[in-house]
Formats: sequence, C-alpha cells, structure tokens
Amino acid sequence: EVQLLESGGGLVQPGGSLRLSCAASGFTFSSYAMSWVRQAPGKGLGWVSSVSGSGGSTYYADSVRGRFTISRDNSKNTLLLQMNSLRAEDTAVYYCAAAASLTDAFDIWGQGTMVTVSS
Amino acid sequence: DIQMTQSPSTLSASVGDRVTITCRASQSISRWLAWYQQKPGKAPKVLIYEASTLETGVPSRFSGSGSGTEFTLTISSLQPDDFATYYCQQYNSYLYTFGQGTKLEIK
Repeated sequence: EVQLLESGGGLVQPGGSLRLSCAASGFTFSSYAMSWVRQAPGKGLGWVSSVSGSGGSTYYADSVRGRFTISRDNSKNTLLLQMNSLRAEDTAVYYCAAAASLTDAFDIWGQGTMVTVSS
Repeated sequence: DIQMTQSPSTLSASVGDRVTITCRASQSISRWLAWYQQKPGKAPKVLIYEASTLETGVPSRFSGSGSGTEFTLTISSLQPDDFATYYCQQYNSYLYTFGQGTKLEIK
C-alpha cells in the first residue's frame, strides 16, 4: 500500500525548533520529488518546501526560507523538515506530499502532523 | 511569484446540479495546473492534473479545462460525496502556489 506517515509535530515556544519526519512506503521513494504543504487552522493550503528525488535540488517559500531546511534520506525512505526560529504564524497541520517529479502534481499525501507555536 | 485566484470562495448547490469553479493565474502557467479535493480533517486528494487529465479512480463527472491563465473545474452532476473544499495549484514554477479554495456547500 502506498503510504506517507508524518511524525514529529507538537507544541513549541516561539523561537524554538522542531523536526518533522515523513516515512514513505509502497513506492520507489527515490524516484519521487517530495514536498511539505501546511494548512493553518481554518485556512487554505500553503506550499512550504520541495526537494528533488536525488535531494540535490531544494526550494522554499519566502516565508520559511532561511529558517526551515528540507532534506531526505533515500536509504531510509524518509523526508525531513528541520524548522528553526518558529513563529506563531507557523502554526499549522503539516502534510508531506509526493510527486513523480518537480513538475508534477502532488498525487500522494500523508495524513498530516500538527505543529503549534505558542508560549 | 505566481498568484492563483479562485472564484467563488463559497458555492451553494444541490445534488444533481452542474457547478463550475474558476482559477486564474497571475501569469501564464501553460497547462501546469492541478485540482484537489479536501474534506474536513483529511488530506487533499488530487482530482485533475495538467489542467484536464483525470486522476485514476476519479469519477468522470469531474472535468477540467483551460490553459495559460484561466482554468475551470466542472462537476457535471453533484453527488453527496462531492461537498468539500476544492483547491487549484500551479506547478509551472518550483515555487508552487495554491488558490485560496472554494467551499462547496449543500444548498
């Protein structure tokens, strides 16, 4: 079964750090570009970051560039998002998503993990 | 960055109705557009990619059209399972953007 399973969410204070993980199964992970998409409570979807299948190319939304780092470990079929200098506006459900390439729609999604930034 | 504008933000309709949602891009994205359906508490699900290609398993009552800067998602005959929020997304550039969403409600 094709599956993405996020973990690592939780409550963190402003200025703190958190690392999200996304475990992939059921497909050839290294052949897929991977992305993080977030959704603040009651709001729409917002793209956060993407990485190519090899991990050699990364892209970030302006709102997180310099604070978040996306990476992947193809030997472990795992996608990571290191989030530093967290702000209240980063509070959201974070989804990982897979696409056949960086120029394809996101056709596999995880169930999401909640990140709450609050004192 | 490419901005995506959806309309309407909310749409009230009845089972059996034909409905259309529009998505406009701030610059040409050729046909690099996808439509997603999201239900409360669930992850989005891709319905259509490359503007008009139906994802495997998606009912044929869903269709997409358009190119350049204007796109539409049409549901030919609404079913109870279709009441959800719909998002467009451009993937012409690696700085992907989503529309703000259209909530389809039961009239």
